Amino acid sequence: NAGVTQTPKFRILKIGQSMTLQCTQDMNHNYMYWYRQDPGMGLKLIYYSVGAGITDKGEVPNGYNVSRSTTEDFPLRLELAAPSQTSVYFCASSFEGARTGELFFGEGSRLTVL
Amino acid sequence: AQTVTQSQPEMSVQEAETVTLSCTYDTSESDYYLFWYKQPPSRQMILVIRQEAYKQQNATENRFSVNFQKAAKSFSLKISDSQLGDAAMYFCAYRIYSGGGADGLTFGKGTHLIIQP
Repeated sequence: NAGVTQTPKFRILKIGQSMTLQCTQDMNHNYMYWYRQDPGMGLKLIYYSVGAGITDKGEVPNGYNVSRSTTEDFPLRLELAAPSQTSVYFCASSFEGARTGELFFGEGSRLTVL
Repeated sequence: AQTVTQSQPEMSVQEAETVTLSCTYDTSESDYYLFWYKQPPSRQMILVIRQEAYKQQNATENRFSVNFQKAAKSFSLKISDSQLGDAAMYFCAYRIYSGGGADGLTFGKGTHLIIQP
């Protein structure tokens, strides 16, 4: 199993550009999440999804959009990139049918906005 | 809102010694999970150990064990026989057990663990 796969791993954007971070998981997990990690900080939740067609905001959603058209994919779109969005982004998934609570993470995507 | 506090930005330990990382949390819930995740320089988030709040017994995974004090809202991680490969950022995380709700994890700011050879 590949687990949770994120692309790209690194990206540099200019202010005002847009881009999409891709995330796919092959574990048939129903829940998926996007987090951002700023230097010296823990991860903060941007958006999450409990299943295809259902998404909701987390703690820091401003400047981002998501969609969930399939169980496997949960892309994160940045519109009009700003320097404040320079961060490492993590996608994660979990299966809520079993009481484990564990989230499985991708390897992260480092985004720099200049 | 739930908060997770890790009061030690950095800890250092000699190889083969024991180290304890501290974590406290604030919640009004009675049913929840607590986790320790390890983040090496590769950035990958790796689950180290998990504790369910309704279980009184402290979780143990090989050299890693926790001291879970529910009344004090404390969840420390003990690493025995420290190895060079244990060097990483360690994050304490909390999650409500909410059944059908998606709540994700609330993270502390992390503790940078240094292993001295």
